[in-house]
Amino acid sequence: DSGVTQTPKHLITATGQRVTLRCSPRSGDLSVYWYQQSLDQGLQFLIHYYNGEERAKGNILERFSAQQFPDLHSELNLSSLELGDSALYFCASSASGNTIYFGEGSWLTVV
Amino acid sequence: QQQVKQSPQSLIVQKGGISIINCAYENTAFDYFPWYQQFPGKGPALLIAIRPDVSEKKEGRFTISFNKSAKQFSLHIMDSQPGDSATYFCAANQAGTALIFGKGTTLSVSS
Repeated sequence: DSGVTQTPKHLITATGQRVTLRCSPRSGDLSVYWYQQSLDQGLQFLIHYYNGEERAKGNILERFSAQQFPDLHSELNLSSLELGDSALYFCASSASGNTIYFGEGSWLTVV
Repeated sequence: QQQVKQSPQSLIVQKGGISIINCAYENTAFDYFPWYQQFPGKGPALLIAIRPDVSEKKEGRFTISFNKSAKQFSLHIMDSQPGDSATYFCAANQAGTALIFGKGTTLSVSS
């Protein structure tokens, strides 16, 4: 158990809808990262938050957004969903160093 | 994003054999090179990591070899076991930044 908690574990939704994925980082970790994993693209970095502030953006679509709250939990919002957004979404957290710990992921299926 | 290139995409090794996975990176500012192991339905878990000031690090049956001048690093799994069958990802980053991942290697160890 990495200590990173993600909910929900699975969700199925229709095209055009909006969903919110939630993440609780490891106790004390200030950094939260979101990654998308699909079969053909591997693990793609989406966005990084540190102590409530956005630090870096990766391959995140404009339809996607994230935030980190004062209690350090984070949410990834995915809107106007398309079939191609079906993927496993991981949250990861770290302290101030390099090592990053991943949650178990949220599996999103868009139908 | 700076790339991390990983090969091979898939690997089949007999039980007791040596599994070797290679990665190459571009950004010379990277100072941390981990390998993650992922089982189906699970999040990536840190396996072993190395920093560029050493050329090799060994933990049990797992060894990272690092060649700074060639900007390459590799994972060696000695005495491979069926339980090692998983997807392995190399990655790289600087402290406080997102990990950039290779595309992964699916390892199958046949008994």
